[in-house]
Amino acid sequence: DAGVIQSPRHEVTEMGQEVTLRCKPISGHNSLFWYRQTMMRGLELLIYFNNNVPIDDSGMPEDRFSAKMPNASFSTLKIQPSEPRDSAVYFCAIGLHQPQHFGDGTRLSIL
Amino acid sequence: TQLLEQSPQFLSIQEGENLTVYCNSSSVFSSLQWYRQEPGEGPVLLVTVVTGGEVKKLKRLTFQFGDARKDSSLHITAAQPGDTGLYLCAGGSAGGTSYGKLTFGQGTILTVHP
Repeated sequence: DAGVIQSPRHEVTEMGQEVTLRCKPISGHNSLFWYRQTMMRGLELLIYFNNNVPIDDSGMPEDRFSAKMPNASFSTLKIQPSEPRDSAVYFCAIGLHQPQHFGDGTRLSIL
Repeated sequence: TQLLEQSPQFLSIQEGENLTVYCNSSSVFSSLQWYRQEPGEGPVLLVTVVTGGEVKKLKRLTFQFGDARKDSSLHITAAQPGDTGLYLCAGGSAGGTSYGKLTFGQGTILTVHP
């Protein structure tokens, strides 16, 4: 989706390493969402920002996960240290209060 | 915790057939979204319904929100191979910090054979 650019598209790394996923919203929006998708659990909301402020991070699995949104055009999701159970596709989405445009995701594999 | 149950999980049909996907919950939602996702891509929003009993049509796709806003259905008429994909329903909560939260169903994988 041209409204959201995610990088990298694929990431393979060993457990214990730090992983940083990036999201660049292009279209106008006021909310940004980070989701995780797995076969077992489907799509899960990790955190969302409204006007660059974190509103709800109750979906963040544990302290190893952190997210920032320093400005309206950039957000990061960091996992440190990474574990094999973090393997999933991570999506960034934008919208007016609810997700309307998703990026194509980052497929993360932790070995 | 709000849950959305989608059925069926898998649907394999021939081109030209009709189909219906269901999304059910015991909870009331302020809105209901339907998305379609193709392999290697993010979900694409198809429609949002907000009023109980609302019906929206998008070409061969018909979406309905239940009167009590607890369930929804997606009906596809004369399915085509291009309709193949993962269909996701998602219910929205209203108010306070729940405003941006969507509860997603597990999805229905639709395969339309030529």
